[in-house]
Parts: sequence; C-alpha cells; structure tokens
Amino acid sequence: GEDVEQSLFLSVREGDSSVINCTYTDSSSTYLYWYKQEPGAGLQLLTYIFSNMDMKQDQRLTVLLNKKDKHLSLRIADTQTGDSAIYFCAESNRATGGFKTIFGAGTRLFVKA
Amino acid sequence: DGGITQSPKYLFRKEGQNVTLSCEQNLNHDAMYWYRQDPGQGLRLIYYSQIVNDFQKGDIAEGYSVSREKKESFPLTVTSAQKNPTAFYLCASSARRTWNTGELFFGEGSRLTVL
Repeated sequence: GEDVEQSLFLSVREGDSSVINCTYTDSSSTYLYWYKQEPGAGLQLLTYIFSNMDMKQDQRLTVLLNKKDKHLSLRIADTQTGDSAIYFCAESNRATGGFKTIFGAGTRLFVKA
Repeated sequence: DGGITQSPKYLFRKEGQNVTLSCEQNLNHDAMYWYRQDPGQGLRLIYYSQIVNDFQKGDIAEGYSVSREKKESFPLTVTSAQKNPTAFYLCASSARRTWNTGELFFGEGSRLTVL
C-alpha cells in the first residue's frame, strides 16, 4: 500500500531554521500536507501544496516538493519554542480525496532555548 | 466558535467492556472521520462517513462500530472485540467543497486506556 515516511525526531536551537523531511510512495499523489499537533491536542493543518507546484511560502513556512524523488520538506524559519510540536506529513490523491489521506508517523520537533 | 468537540478527553475501561466516544461538530461539515493514533505510527483511519445514515470502513475497522444519525454527530464505539484498544482517538471532519483537497479539521482527541 501507499506509505509516507518521516524521521521521528528533530532538535534545533531557538532562532535557527528547522527542516522536516518526508518521502511518499504514491506517484498519483495530488495534494501533500503538513499538519501540526501540540501536546494532548488534535492536528491543525499548517499548509498544503498541489503536486504541480515546486514551492509554497507562507510567512515563516516554506514547503518544497521534489516530485521526481517524491520528497517533501517543511522549513520553519526563526524557530521559536512555541513551534515545539509533532509535525505530520500527509498525502491524498484525486481519486480518493480526503477520504483516504495517508499520514506519516510524525516528526517531533524539540526547540531548545 | 465553530469546531469539533470530543468527549471524554480521558477514559479508562476494563477489559471486556464496550465504550463509546463522542464527536460533535458545528462546522456544518458533511464528512466525518475517526482516526486512531499510536506512538511512532501515522494516523490510521477507522471509519468515515460522507453523509447521514451512511459510513464506510477504513483501514482498521475491526472491533469498532459507528453510527451517523445526525449530521453533527459521529460516535465511535470501541467494542470488547478490539484486541488492543489503548490509544489516542481523533475525530475529524471536512466540508464538501474541500473533499478533493482533503483538508481535515480535527478535534482535540480522546485518550482511552484499558486496565
């Protein structure tokens, strides 16, 4: 079946940039997402990118998509302690839409003051 | 404020008991979902419903049951047949206009512990 993989942990210093990486297997992926989960809470959609785009920027967040390598990354500029959370990469395709969104295991970001 | 409310936040159950987790949304979303989250694993889809009185099995439906009698409500019952029910359960919803893009709105989750 389709799969989404990401590393489980990342630690950065406050003020540095964070880069969270993700790879996926579904070549028909249409939409790729980044969700954020704070401790004990549900997921919040941070941003998403269409598969025909290479990059999307939204304030401190930059999403890069390498479709050839099926690689997605999320860069957080000027990382703050409030950015400490679990970040989930996810994908869906046009055939199934949101009904079969595939999530990665999540990357836990630690921000050291 | 619109949102998704899950209750209870924490629940303890003895082995052999059924429990029901509540999920209510006032976003007027047509679709609702139940996911299970285990440490080190991605979210796994249990059931979803696109419309009232209809629902579909997800990837791990065994040992779970749902109902969708009202648009706003999608309760999940964890039955005694579920072999490893201790987990964090997340309810989500989506609007018809975003079904293609797959944008999901999540509740804050319910943590079930089986003693």
